[in-house]
Amino acid sequence: NAGVTQTPKFQVLKTGQSMTLQCAQDMNHNSMYWYRQDPGMGLRLIYYSASEGTTDKGEVPNGYNVSRLNKREFSLRLESAAPSQTSVYFCAGGRDPGTDTQYFGPGTRLTVL
Amino acid sequence: RKEVEQDPGPFNVPEGATVAFNCTYSNSASQSFFWYRQDCRKEPKLLMSVYSSGNEDGRFTAQLNRASQYISLLIRDSKLSDSATYLCVVNYGQNFVFGPGTRLSVLP
Repeated sequence: NAGVTQTPKFQVLKTGQSMTLQCAQDMNHNSMYWYRQDPGMGLRLIYYSASEGTTDKGEVPNGYNVSRLNKREFSLRLESAAPSQTSVYFCAGGRDPGTDTQYFGPGTRLTVL
Repeated sequence: RKEVEQDPGPFNVPEGATVAFNCTYSNSASQSFFWYRQDCRKEPKLLMSVYSSGNEDGRFTAQLNRASQYISLLIRDSKLSDSATYLCVVNYGQNFVFGPGTRLSVLP
């Protein structure tokens, strides 16, 4: 089992460019999450999906969109990247939303110039 | 007020020392509590869940005080490999709130 995988591992964008971060899990998790981590800020929730077919905003959703394509995949899209979106992005999955252990992917390091 | 607060750190301790981390949370309705460990430039990984009765896993002991909305993590006999950032995590409805983390460096 690969667990939670993310692609790409690294990305450099110019301001205004768009891109999609991919996340997939093979752990049969119901819930999936996207976080960003900035120095001194801890992890902040961008969007989450409590179950297939549902998505909800987290603490910092502005500038992002998500798609829960199926139970395995949860993608994060930046439509028009801004330097403020330079961060490390982590995807995570868990069995039961809000109650169960989360398993994280290795992260995507994004730089927006 | 931040929803989850932790000791700012960093904590620099010698091998073999006992070190304690504190965490406070603001949502009295929270029901699930965890400590995660994050190594430099890596993803967070679960260290242990925290139960109302307190729980122990080898050298690690976690305590929960619901009345004070306070969680603690005690590490005994610190090892060099314990050097990492420790994240306090509390559920908020269907999602989780992470504390900013406390960095621990165990020195030889």
